[in-house]
Amino acid sequence: NAGVIQTPRHKVTGKGQEATLWCEPISGHSAVFWYRQTIVQGLEFLTYFRNQAPIDDSGMPKERFSAQMPNQSHSTLKIQSTQPQDSAVYLCASSLMGNTGQLYFGEGSKLTVL
Amino acid sequence: QQQVRQSPQSLTVWEGETAILNCSYEDSTFDYFPWYHQFPGESPALLIAIRPVSNKKEDGRFTIFFNKREKKFSLHIADSQPGDSATYFCAASRGGGSNYKLTFGKGTLLTVTP
Repeated sequence: NAGVIQTPRHKVTGKGQEATLWCEPISGHSAVFWYRQTIVQGLEFLTYFRNQAPIDDSGMPKERFSAQMPNQSHSTLKIQSTQPQDSAVYLCASSLMGNTGQLYFGEGSKLTVL
Repeated sequence: QQQVRQSPQSLTVWEGETAILNCSYEDSTFDYFPWYHQFPGESPALLIAIRPVSNKKEDGRFTIFFNKREKKFSLHIADSQPGDSATYFCAASRGGGSNYKLTFGKGTLLTVTP
């Protein structure tokens, strides 16, 4: 039973370039979440989808970040014009519909912006 | 505005002692309070969770104590073992945790010394 799959595991971009991160949630999970993790800020919520519909993107820096979930098997997080402060581990998580509330995290995509 | 505050930032205990990690929250609509742990090089994983219908939840050596009036909850790790060394995150959400976003504290780095 595969867990949440994230690709790439590591990405290095130059300042101003674009970065796209992919997430494949656990099959059958109805909600997909994106978080950003840094030493200073900890785990920051970015956005989430429920049954592929965007529900809350209140954590997303609006100008350069966007997320999509075109089908139930994958979600993407795109960062345009990357900046050094975007360097972080981007974590995708999925959860089942219901009242468990348990998030299953992927291994993360470590983004380094030079 | 930091909705979930966690303390201490780091904690060192001797093997066999009880480690106590603390969290407080501001939003009275939060009704689901999990603790996640994260080992080096791994992603966060659910450890234990509580809903405010009760003020205590036990799972082996791990116990959550919840105080709704003071908007505080804590994780007690009894008989701490070196294998418990990790970063612990408290979190909170609404809707009983069912597919709602989790707001995390900034984490407590626990070190258990043999």
